[in-house]
Amino acid sequence: QAVVTQEPSLTVSPGGTVTLTCGSSTGAVTSGHYPYWFQQKPGQAPRTLIYDTSNKHSWTPARFSGSLLGGKAALTLSGAQPEDEAEYYCFLSYSGARVFGGGTKLTVL
Amino acid sequence: EVQLVESGGGLVQPGGSLRLSCAASGFTFSSYWMHWVRQAPGKGLVWVSRINSDGSSTYYADSVKGRFTISRDNAKNTLYLQMNSLRAEDTAVYYCASVSLHNWNWGQGTLVTVSS
Repeated sequence: QAVVTQEPSLTVSPGGTVTLTCGSSTGAVTSGHYPYWFQQKPGQAPRTLIYDTSNKHSWTPARFSGSLLGGKAALTLSGAQPEDEAEYYCFLSYSGARVFGGGTKLTVL
Repeated sequence: EVQLVESGGGLVQPGGSLRLSCAASGFTFSSYWMHWVRQAPGKGLVWVSRINSDGSSTYYADSVKGRFTISRDNAKNTLYLQMNSLRAEDTAVYYCASVSLHNWNWGQGTLVTVSS
């Protein structure tokens, strides 16, 4: 089964910009993997931020954006806020199976 | 409002079995794919399995294939996960999830602990 890789941890300053990436052991991540991005805060269920690479839900803050970058899926946060401190998971589709990345712990400091 | 309520977790010895249930309400259960996802304490999310709307198509993570079986009863609006040959590494909170219009709805989870 494929392995999906993310940075274990990243730090961003308040108001700063950071990009989280999501790679696949099978090769380049494409739109055909229908990348999702979830945000999870301690003690809470995950929340869907981005689906199908770059689509946002109505509740997704405008400062989050999704894209494909250098063969990976990417989540960019522009203008980080303290409330953005959380764990972020990407999620890829592989034919029948699905795989989460290991998560990126984002610290806003 | 979508509600998903898991049950059936608990302490089980290695090699034992458990059946998890997920009672769904607030949406047309029989129309949607459903997933099981687990999260070990302090660890990341791990996709476990998914089932199509009528139960005729199922997929599993390699780590549980051959040991876990996902099923559903659309008349009872309930999703199941039969877990056999349990191992210590299966210890986790197990969540059921529905996906509607690209949004994942999650239950509160049920804790499965595999230990002697």
